[in-house]
Amino acid sequence: NAGVTQTPKFRVLKTGQSMTLLCAQDMNHEYMYWYRQDPGMGLRLIHYSVGEGTTAKGEVPDGYNVSRLKKQNFLLGLESAAPSQTSVYFCASSYEPPGTGGLFSNQPQHFGDGTRLSIL
Amino acid sequence: AQSVAQPEDQVNVAEGNPLTVKCTYSVSGNPYLFWYVQYPNRGLQFLLKYITGDNLVKGSYGFEAEFNKSQTSFHLKKPSALVSDSALYFCAVRAHYGNNRLAFGKGNQVVVIP
Repeated sequence: NAGVTQTPKFRVLKTGQSMTLLCAQDMNHEYMYWYRQDPGMGLRLIHYSVGEGTTAKGEVPDGYNVSRLKKQNFLLGLESAAPSQTSVYFCASSYEPPGTGGLFSNQPQHFGDGTRLSIL
Repeated sequence: AQSVAQPEDQVNVAEGNPLTVKCTYSVSGNPYLFWYVQYPNRGLQFLLKYITGDNLVKGSYGFEAEFNKSQTSFHLKKPSALVSDSALYFCAVRAHYGNNRLAFGKGNQVVVIP
Protein backbone atom coordinates (compact mmCIF):
# COMPACT_ATOMS: atom_id res chain seq x y z
CA ASN A 1 0.00 0.00 0.00
CA ALA A 2 2.63 2.54 -1.01
CA GLY A 3 0.23 5.12 -2.54
CA VAL A 4 2.24 8.28 -3.23
CA THR A 5 5.95 8.22 -2.37
CA GLN A 6 8.15 11.30 -2.31
CA THR A 7 11.94 11.32 -2.43
CA PRO A 8 13.87 12.75 -0.61
CA LYS A 9 12.12 13.49 2.70
CA PHE A 10 14.54 16.25 3.72
CA ARG A 11 17.10 18.34 1.90
CA VAL A 12 19.22 21.40 2.58
CA LEU A 13 20.51 23.37 -0.39
CA LYS A 14 22.63 26.43 -0.90
CA THR A 15 21.31 29.34 -2.93
CA GLY A 16 21.87 28.71 -6.62
CA GLN A 17 22.05 24.94 -6.40
CA SER A 18 19.70 22.76 -8.38
CA MET A 19 17.81 19.66 -7.42
CA THR A 20 14.96 17.39 -8.45
CA LEU A 21 12.17 16.10 -6.25
CA LEU A 22 10.71 12.76 -7.24
CA CYS A 23 7.11 11.67 -6.82
CA ALA A 24 5.93 8.15 -7.61
CA GLN A 25 2.40 6.76 -7.39
CA ASP A 26 1.28 3.18 -7.79
CA MET A 27 -2.47 3.79 -8.16
CA ASN A 28 -2.45 4.27 -11.95
CA HIS A 29 -3.79 7.80 -11.53
CA GLU A 30 -3.85 10.10 -14.53
CA TYR A 31 -3.65 13.39 -12.65
CA MET A 32 -0.65 14.42 -10.56
CA TYR A 33 0.11 17.66 -8.73
CA TRP A 34 2.91 19.50 -6.96
CA TYR A 35 2.04 21.83 -4.08
CA ARG A 36 4.04 23.89 -1.65
CA GLN A 37 2.89 24.42 1.92
CA ASP A 38 3.94 27.51 3.83
CA PRO A 39 2.76 28.52 7.33
CA GLY A 40 -0.54 30.39 7.27
CA MET A 41 -0.91 30.04 3.50
CA GLY A 42 -2.38 26.60 3.04
CA LEU A 43 -1.37 24.68 -0.06
CA ARG A 44 -0.53 26.40 -3.32
CA LEU A 45 -0.42 24.58 -6.61
CA ILE A 46 2.90 24.81 -8.44
CA HIS A 47 2.37 22.60 -11.50
CA TYR A 48 0.14 19.73 -12.42
CA SER A 49 -0.21 17.04 -15.06
CA VAL A 50 -3.31 15.49 -16.58
CA GLY A 51 -1.46 12.58 -18.12
CA GLU A 52 1.85 11.18 -19.29
CA GLY A 53 3.78 13.69 -21.33
CA THR A 54 1.63 16.68 -20.32
CA THR A 55 2.21 19.42 -17.76
CA ALA A 56 0.56 22.71 -16.90
CA LYS A 57 1.23 25.70 -14.66
CA GLY A 58 -0.53 26.23 -11.37
CA GLU A 59 -0.70 29.27 -9.11
CA VAL A 60 3.00 29.66 -8.32
CA PRO A 61 5.06 28.10 -11.14
CA ASP A 62 7.96 30.56 -11.30
CA GLY A 63 11.34 29.05 -10.48
CA TYR A 64 10.12 25.47 -10.95
CA ASN A 65 9.96 23.02 -13.81
CA VAL A 66 8.27 19.64 -14.04
CA SER A 67 8.27 16.55 -16.19
CA ARG A 68 5.94 13.57 -16.54
CA LEU A 69 7.80 11.11 -18.75
CA LYS A 70 6.12 8.11 -17.16
CA LYS A 71 2.56 7.91 -15.90
CA GLN A 72 3.61 6.91 -12.41
CA ASN A 73 6.29 9.57 -11.92
CA PHE A 74 6.12 13.35 -11.64
CA LEU A 75 9.36 15.26 -11.14
CA LEU A 76 9.73 18.77 -9.75
CA GLY A 77 12.93 20.64 -10.54
CA LEU A 78 14.50 23.71 -9.03
CA GLU A 79 17.08 25.04 -11.49
CA SER A 80 18.58 27.71 -9.23
CA ALA A 81 17.31 27.48 -5.67
CA ALA A 82 16.40 30.65 -3.79
CA PRO A 83 15.67 31.12 -0.05
CA SER A 84 12.04 31.96 -0.95
CA GLN A 85 11.67 28.36 -2.10
CA THR A 86 12.22 27.06 1.43
CA SER A 87 9.02 25.15 2.03
CA VAL A 88 7.40 21.78 2.41
CA TYR A 89 6.58 20.27 -0.97
CA PHE A 90 3.73 17.83 -1.44
CA CYS A 91 2.93 15.64 -4.38
CA ALA A 92 -0.59 14.35 -4.93
CA SER A 93 -2.44 12.24 -7.45
CA SER A 94 -6.07 11.66 -8.31
CA TYR A 95 -8.24 9.50 -10.46
CA GLU A 96 -10.14 11.41 -13.11
CA PRO A 97 -12.23 9.48 -15.65
CA PRO A 98 -10.60 10.01 -19.04
CA GLY A 99 -12.28 12.21 -21.58
CA THR A 100 -14.58 13.96 -19.15
CA GLY A 101 -12.68 17.20 -18.79
CA GLY A 102 -13.91 19.05 -15.76
CA LEU A 103 -17.23 17.29 -15.45
CA PHE A 104 -16.20 14.68 -12.89
CA SER A 105 -13.64 16.57 -10.83
CA ASN A 106 -15.00 15.28 -7.57
CA GLN A 107 -12.33 12.74 -6.82
CA PRO A 108 -10.16 13.24 -3.73
CA GLN A 109 -6.44 13.75 -4.08
CA HIS A 110 -3.98 11.33 -2.49
CA PHE A 111 -0.94 12.97 -0.95
CA GLY A 112 2.60 11.91 -0.22
CA ASP A 113 4.26 12.73 3.10
CA GLY A 114 6.18 15.69 1.76
CA THR A 115 9.72 16.87 1.17
CA ARG A 116 11.07 19.43 3.61
CA LEU A 117 13.41 21.71 1.68
CA SER A 118 15.58 24.39 3.24
CA ILE A 119 17.59 26.78 1.10
CA LEU A 120 20.34 28.72 2.79
CA ALA B 1 -11.58 31.88 -9.26
CA GLN B 2 -12.56 29.67 -6.38
CA SER B 3 -11.43 30.40 -2.84
CA VAL B 4 -11.87 29.18 0.72
CA ALA B 5 -11.87 31.03 4.02
CA GLN B 6 -11.13 29.31 7.32
CA PRO B 7 -11.57 32.19 9.76
CA GLU B 8 -10.04 30.66 12.88
CA ASP B 9 -6.33 29.87 13.08
CA GLN B 10 -6.75 27.52 16.03
CA VAL B 11 -9.68 25.73 17.62
CA ASN B 12 -9.34 24.52 21.20
CA VAL B 13 -11.84 22.01 22.53
CA ALA B 14 -12.02 19.77 25.58
CA GLU B 15 -11.99 16.04 24.99
CA GLY B 16 -15.55 14.73 24.74
CA ASN B 17 -16.99 18.08 23.69
CA PRO B 18 -18.39 18.79 20.22
CA LEU B 19 -15.87 19.99 17.65
CA THR B 20 -16.66 22.44 14.84
CA VAL B 21 -14.21 23.73 12.24
CA LYS B 22 -15.60 26.50 10.05
CA CYS B 23 -15.25 26.92 6.30
CA THR B 24 -16.82 29.30 3.82
CA TYR B 25 -16.19 29.22 0.10
CA SER B 26 -16.54 31.18 -3.11
CA VAL B 27 -16.95 29.51 -6.50
CA SER B 28 -18.70 30.06 -9.81
CA GLY B 29 -21.60 27.67 -10.06
CA ASN B 30 -21.98 24.57 -7.95
CA PRO B 31 -19.10 23.42 -5.76
CA TYR B 32 -17.34 20.22 -4.94
CA LEU B 33 -16.21 20.58 -1.33
CA PHE B 34 -13.62 18.59 0.58
CA TRP B 35 -12.14 18.29 4.04
CA TYR B 36 -8.62 16.98 4.59
CA VAL B 37 -6.68 16.37 7.81
CA GLN B 38 -2.92 16.62 8.26
CA TYR B 39 -1.03 15.04 11.15
CA PRO B 40 2.50 16.20 12.01
CA ASN B 41 5.10 15.38 9.36
CA ARG B 42 2.51 13.68 7.16
CA GLY B 43 0.65 14.49 3.98
CA LEU B 44 -3.00 15.45 3.79
CA GLN B 45 -5.55 12.70 4.25
CA PHE B 46 -9.02 12.86 2.73
CA LEU B 47 -11.88 12.98 5.28
CA LEU B 48 -15.05 13.61 3.31
CA LYS B 49 -16.55 15.42 0.34
CA TYR B 50 -19.77 17.02 -0.82
CA ILE B 51 -20.81 16.50 -4.43
CA THR B 52 -24.54 16.96 -4.54
CA GLY B 53 -27.69 15.81 -2.78
CA ASP B 54 -27.96 15.45 0.99
CA ASN B 55 -26.51 18.48 2.76
CA LEU B 56 -25.10 16.39 5.61
CA VAL B 57 -22.08 14.36 4.59
CA LYS B 58 -20.53 11.68 6.76
CA GLY B 59 -16.87 10.80 6.53
CA SER B 60 -13.99 9.02 8.21
CA TYR B 61 -13.26 8.84 11.96
CA GLY B 62 -16.74 10.03 12.97
CA PHE B 63 -16.52 13.37 11.19
CA GLU B 64 -19.37 14.93 9.29
CA ALA B 65 -19.90 18.21 7.46
CA GLU B 66 -22.93 20.29 6.63
CA PHE B 67 -23.27 22.04 3.28
CA ASN B 68 -25.24 25.29 3.40
CA LYS B 69 -25.65 26.83 -0.02
CA SER B 70 -27.27 30.08 1.15
CA GLN B 71 -24.41 30.75 3.58
CA THR B 72 -21.77 29.24 1.23
CA SER B 73 -20.46 27.24 4.15
CA PHE B 74 -19.21 23.70 4.71
CA HIS B 75 -18.44 23.35 8.42
CA LEU B 76 -16.77 20.22 9.73
CA LYS B 77 -18.21 18.67 12.88
CA LYS B 78 -17.62 15.85 15.30
CA PRO B 79 -20.01 15.17 18.19
CA SER B 80 -17.33 14.11 20.68
CA ALA B 81 -13.70 15.12 20.14
CA LEU B 82 -10.76 12.83 20.91
CA VAL B 83 -7.20 13.84 21.80
CA SER B 84 -6.13 11.99 18.65
CA ASP B 85 -8.21 14.46 16.58
CA SER B 86 -5.58 17.12 17.28
CA ALA B 87 -4.28 18.00 13.82
CA LEU B 88 -4.40 20.56 11.03
CA TYR B 89 -7.64 20.61 9.03
CA PHE B 90 -8.01 21.96 5.51
CA CYS B 91 -11.16 22.82 3.61
CA ALA B 92 -10.98 22.83 -0.20
CA VAL B 93 -13.29 23.70 -3.08
CA ARG B 94 -13.38 23.24 -6.81
CA ALA B 95 -15.96 24.15 -9.39
CA HIS B 96 -17.96 21.55 -11.26
CA TYR B 97 -16.84 22.90 -14.61
CA GLY B 98 -13.96 24.77 -16.16
CA ASN B 99 -10.82 25.36 -14.10
CA ASN B 100 -10.22 22.16 -12.18
CA ARG B 101 -7.83 23.61 -9.67
CA LEU B 102 -8.58 22.64 -6.07
CA ALA B 103 -8.40 25.74 -3.86
CA PHE B 104 -7.36 25.12 -0.25
CA GLY B 105 -8.00 27.21 2.80
CA LYS B 106 -5.17 28.22 5.13
CA GLY B 107 -5.96 25.42 7.55
CA ASN B 108 -7.19 25.27 11.13
CA GLN B 109 -5.12 23.83 13.93
CA VAL B 110 -7.36 21.80 16.22
CA VAL B 111 -6.15 21.16 19.76
CA VAL B 112 -8.14 18.71 21.84
CA ILE B 113 -7.40 19.16 25.54
CA PRO B 114 -7.49 16.04 27.71
